[in-house]
Amino acid sequence: GAGVSQSPSNKVTEKGKDVELRCDPISGHTALYWYRQSLGQGLEFLIYFQGNSAPDKSGLPSDRFSAERTGGSVSTLTIQRTQQEDSAVYLCASSFSDRGYQPQHFGDGTRLSIL
Amino acid sequence: GDSVTQMEGPVTLSEEAFLTINCTYTATGYPSLFWYVQYPGEGLQLLLKATKADDKGSNKGFEATYRKETTSFHLEKGSVQVSDSAVYFCALKWTPLDRKLIWGLGTSLAVNP
Repeated sequence: GAGVSQSPSNKVTEKGKDVELRCDPISGHTALYWYRQSLGQGLEFLIYFQGNSAPDKSGLPSDRFSAERTGGSVSTLTIQRTQQEDSAVYLCASSFSDRGYQPQHFGDGTRLSIL
Repeated sequence: GDSVTQMEGPVTLSEEAFLTINCTYTATGYPSLFWYVQYPGEGLQLLLKATKADDKGSNKGFEATYRKETTSFHLEKGSVQVSDSAVYFCALKWTPLDRKLIWGLGTSLAVNP
């Protein structure tokens, strides 16, 4: 598609369940980023991929969070044993490369609510 | 560490008023600077960017100048419209040592007719 696509757009789940969030980057974009936007707070970096590898995972809050990217394209962010503090909007972005000053293009996000 | 500080909102203006949203940063070297906008119900969109000192980014009537001496990247628009109501985020990207964007907390703007 023309832009970054994220699914689902909304996810409501019970505490303790696992969730998977999907990101389809812009075709040809080699770099992919995950951010989290919590209510009343700024964006928080989670992880970034260049191709299928993740050189920077420094933002993942705990070992309950993991992400993978396959075929240099689609990425999945998985949260295991969800907690209420995981409730946030999870944003995915992609850029043509991770070098230079390439801007990041964002998807509309997945709004995750943990009951 | 690197950080971005934005003026707190919400900012409320009347249509055709002048807008300034302040953004200052703390970073070593020469980061790239960005303004992103999030309209109600929509995703983040790049509004403008500047990649070196004294560069001016501009788009949709908005401007911001990269001021190395004051480490600032203030967003301005001469005459705002109701359709400019959104949340504005200032961000920096320090390349090549870092790949992620470092964000300000966002400034909510409401423009009344």
